[in-house]
This record gives sequence, structure tokens and C-alpha cells, in this order.
Amino acid sequence: EPEVTQTPSHQVTQMGQEVILRCVPISNHLYFYWYRQILGQKVEFLVSFYNNEISEKSEIFDDQFSVERPDGSNFTLKIRSTKLEDSAMYFCASNLLAGGTDTQYFGPGTRLTVL
Amino acid sequence: AQTVTQSQPEMSVQEAETVTLSCTYDTSESDYYLFWYKQPPSRQMILVIRQEAYKQQNATENRFSVNFQKAAKSFSLKISDSQLGDAAMYFCAYRPQGAQKLVFGQGTRLTINP
Repeated sequence: EPEVTQTPSHQVTQMGQEVILRCVPISNHLYFYWYRQILGQKVEFLVSFYNNEISEKSEIFDDQFSVERPDGSNFTLKIRSTKLEDSAMYFCASNLLAGGTDTQYFGPGTRLTVL
Repeated sequence: AQTVTQSQPEMSVQEAETVTLSCTYDTSESDYYLFWYKQPPSRQMILVIRQEAYKQQNATENRFSVNFQKAAKSFSLKISDSQLGDAAMYFCAYRPQGAQKLVFGQGTRLTINP
């Protein structure tokens, strides 16, 4: 069964550095998402992306964050200048359709640690 | 803002028995979608079951079923004949009609005792 993959599984960075988290969504899916989960807290929506544009974003997704689908297969999340509070598990998800009960398929996550 | 609450941080059940995980949500919308996701220790979230708010019939998927009470804004998950492989973190999630984002609860960690 097709899966969403994410790399790296764990990223350690220094505060103020830029990081890029990578995801390969399921190949025929059209909608892509990033969520994050700070340790011990809820999974929170960051952004959704469709047709090479952001279609929805949360308050968390400020100017420090950006997303891109650079080559038709990868979907990336960039954090420009990391802060300690960006330490979290970041999940990528994708689905074929946007509406109804269409399933969002999640990747295994990237654990980001900001020192 | 819509919120999802799972009031049971941890639950445990004996293998082969039945367990119910609770979920309540807050919304002013009448059309929406509800989901239960399972996150095993490998950390990839997998969809367990889903429900459209306009459907009165409760969804079932093999040993998994839901008790959807729209007026009470309650969406509990029942796992029958619990198996060791059911051990995981379970997340309840809500999706508004016309939106793409999922709003998650805090999760319930389910332990299965052999």
C-alpha cells in the first residue's frame, strides 16, 4: 500500500538556523498538509497546499514558515529561523480529495529538536 | 473555534474484552466529519473509522464502531475483542464542512493487557 514518507526522521538544529523538512506524499494525491505535535500536546494543523498554493493555514504558520512542492514529488516545510518552541514532531499528510470523509494519510513524522 | 476533547489520557483493557474511548467536540456547524486515528509506537497515524455528521447510522469497521450522538456532540470509539495490536495512541479528529484541516483531541493511550 502506498505510504507518505518523511525525511529525516530526526533533525537537530541550533536556534536561529534554517531547517527544511521533506515529505513525499502518495503519488496521485492532490492535497498536502503539515501538522505538528509538541511533546505532550495536541496534534495541530499548520498548513494545507493545493495546486501549488497554500489553501488554508493556521495562526501558527507565520512568516517563519513556508511550504513548497519543488519538483512534483517532494513537499517541503521550511522554518527560516528556528526557535526553541519549534521543537516538535512534524507530520506531513496527503489526500486525493479535499472534501467529505476522504482520508488524510500521514507520514511517520520528523522529530525536530532545536537547541 | 472548534475544539475536540478526549477526557481519558490513558485507558487499559484485558485482551479480548471491549473498551470505549470518549471524545466530545464543540462546534456551531451542522455539517462536519469525525474521525478516529490510531498511532502505534512507530508513530504513523492510521485512520480507524470515520463518520459523516449528517448520517444518523453509526459507522462500523470490523471490531471498531462508534457511538455518534450529534446533539450531545459526542463521538466515542468502541473496540470489541481487543487485541494486543490495538495498543496505541488514539486520536479523535474533527473536520469542518468545506475545510481541509483536521482538529485533533489530546489523544488516549490504550494499553492491552494479555
